[in-house]
Amino acid sequence: GEDVEQSLFLSVREGDSSVINCTYTDSSSTYLYWYKQEPGAGLQLLTYIFSNMDMKQDQRLTVLLNKKDKHLSLRIADTQTGDSAIYFCAESINNNDMRFGAGTRLTVKP
Amino acid sequence: SAVISQKPSRDICQRGTSLTIQCQVDSQVTMMFWYRQQPGQSLTLIATANQGSEATYESGFVIDKFPISRPNLTFSTLTVSNMSPEDSSIYLCSVGTSRGNTFGSGTRLTVV
Repeated sequence: GEDVEQSLFLSVREGDSSVINCTYTDSSSTYLYWYKQEPGAGLQLLTYIFSNMDMKQDQRLTVLLNKKDKHLSLRIADTQTGDSAIYFCAESINNNDMRFGAGTRLTVKP
Repeated sequence: SAVISQKPSRDICQRGTSLTIQCQVDSQVTMMFWYRQQPGQSLTLIATANQGSEATYESGFVIDKFPISRPNLTFSTLTVSNMSPEDSSIYLCSVGTSRGNTFGSGTRLTVV
């Protein structure tokens, strides 16, 4: 089947930028998402991008999409300890059923 | 965006019993989904809950094990039947919106 892959762990210092990377294989993907999951909680949609865009910025979050390489990244500026969580990349053709990556556990050290 | 209430938030169940998880949405939605997140893993779609018809199950999931109800456009239930320890997971309800899926807070199930 089609895959979504992301690195499992990332550790940064408070105040630094974090970059979480994701690759996907389905060239038909129309929607690409980033979700955040804090311990013991459900998934929170952080941001999403359409496949016809190459960048989207929302406050401290910047999403970059390289459709040719099927590469998606999430940059968090001025990372805070409250940003420590698992970040899931996901893709969908129709904005309904979605395929998720395994999640990247971001640890922010003071 | 839609607000989802899911309950119970957690439960510890005996092997061989069944648990029904409820998902209530504060607005009418066409698409509702049930996901499973096994310990330390990503989300796997179990089924799409269709209002007025049978749920559509993904490969590896069957109706006898995970019966789903969708009596109206704001509510759905997922039952985990004849549970075994391998069913210990977080089960999440999700609804489709124009801005991506919104998730409930999940039900953390432990089968002993």
